[in-house]
Amino acid sequence: EVQLVQSGAEVKKPGESLKISCKGSGYSFTSYWIGWVRQMPGKGLEWMGIIYPGDSDTRYSPSFQGQVTISADKSISTAYLQWSSLKASDTAMYYCACSGSFGAGDYWGQGTLVTVSS
Amino acid sequence: QSALTQPASVSGSPGQSITISCTGTSSDVGSYNLVSWYQQHPGKAPKLMIYEGSKRPSGVSNRFSGSKSGNTASLTISGLQAEDEADYYCCSYAGSSIMFGGGTKLTVL
Repeated sequence: EVQLVQSGAEVKKPGESLKISCKGSGYSFTSYWIGWVRQMPGKGLEWMGIIYPGDSDTRYSPSFQGQVTISADKSISTAYLQWSSLKASDTAMYYCACSGSFGAGDYWGQGTLVTVSS
Repeated sequence: QSALTQPASVSGSPGQSITISCTGTSSDVGSYNLVSWYQQHPGKAPKLMIYEGSKRPSGVSNRFSGSKSGNTASLTISGLQAEDEADYYCCSYAGSSIMFGGGTKLTVL
């Protein structure tokens, strides 16, 4: 069974850094794309970017390029989404999702709620 | 990049059929047969309902079907049931990027 388990909720202050994780199991981690999707409170889904852990090929939405970094550690089947300096507007639920081809995701994690507030 | 265009809301009575449209451009929906549809219940993660325009993942009811004409993709739900009430999002490959629609709230009357 394909499973994506994300790290727990985070509460941070503006300007702080953050790295959230998404651990995959039940499939070949290096053969599936893993992407990240943002959902701000009461709003729709926004595609942020995607990585292919097999060769670390990474693509970003123009809206998120330079704002976040996506990475993966295939030795522990885990993908990451990180910020170097959080803003209040980064407050949102973040989902990871994996798919066999370049896409939004066939299987989804449970989401990580990030709250940024002073 | 603009989001794909979906109606904000649709509604139908149990047993009826509804269709949700998703309009893109010749750079996304119109160029690739790679539209997917997601269902999201409140407080839950999205669930894949249709991929590659019209294919259903294992376990998804055959009451859900997808199609495409030109730059517009559509999701049809037949035999509406109360449990279908949710938000629905379309999504398309757009050449090294992915775009979502703004989402449609389905209300089962």
